[in-house]
Amino acid sequence: EAQVTQNPRYLITVTGKKLTVTCSQNMNHEYMSWYRQDPGLGLRQIYYSMNVEVTDKGDVPEGYKVSRKEKRNFPLILESPSPNQTSLYFCASSLGQGRETQYFGPGTRLLVL
Amino acid sequence: GNSVTQMEGPVTLSEEAFLTINCTYTATGYPSLFWYVQYPGEGLQLLLKATKADDKGSNKGFEATYRKETTSFHLEKGSVQVSDSAVYFCALSDRYTGKLIFGQGTTLQVKP
Repeated sequence: EAQVTQNPRYLITVTGKKLTVTCSQNMNHEYMSWYRQDPGLGLRQIYYSMNVEVTDKGDVPEGYKVSRKEKRNFPLILESPSPNQTSLYFCASSLGQGRETQYFGPGTRLLVL
Repeated sequence: GNSVTQMEGPVTLSEEAFLTINCTYTATGYPSLFWYVQYPGEGLQLLLKATKADDKGSNKGFEATYRKETTSFHLEKGSVQVSDSAVYFCALSDRYTGKLIFGQGTTLQVKP
């Protein structure tokens, strides 16, 4: 089944404790992206990647890192999480950028205490 | 810059009622336009899309037409069901970065 998977689905952590949210897709997509969803602010892009080893900042990259060492994986790293990073995170992928449909993962709900 | 404006919700309808959710956009060039749906506790699913002016996207009884002259992409359904209750997002795709720019979302509640 073609899908985007994320792990973990739910996470409670404390300020400053490094964490990684994994994202994997099995559709051989070149483009991958991370979004966060917050009440009143909607969905905003954090980082995106157009291909292996090619990443760039989205609208809200502060406090996040990403890497794209393999085509299928695009982990989101929070080196020192803070409470303002409490959010619902979505990974997405598509064949390319622009006109292609982006397929979303199920989401990761993060609470930083 | 690019932006998307959706009508605010929540929208509450009775089953079999007609649905319209308005969406207008501001963009340079001719972006692709999308409607995504988010059911409670789930990720976003593509509902329909249109990639050029006058295209009509359709799926599961929902329709939307890409209107360049009015910069709109309104979502319609002739007869809603309780199972259509969800949050609906209008979005456009930035042709250079691939970023999806979303509207604020419209919550639809359909009552039996």
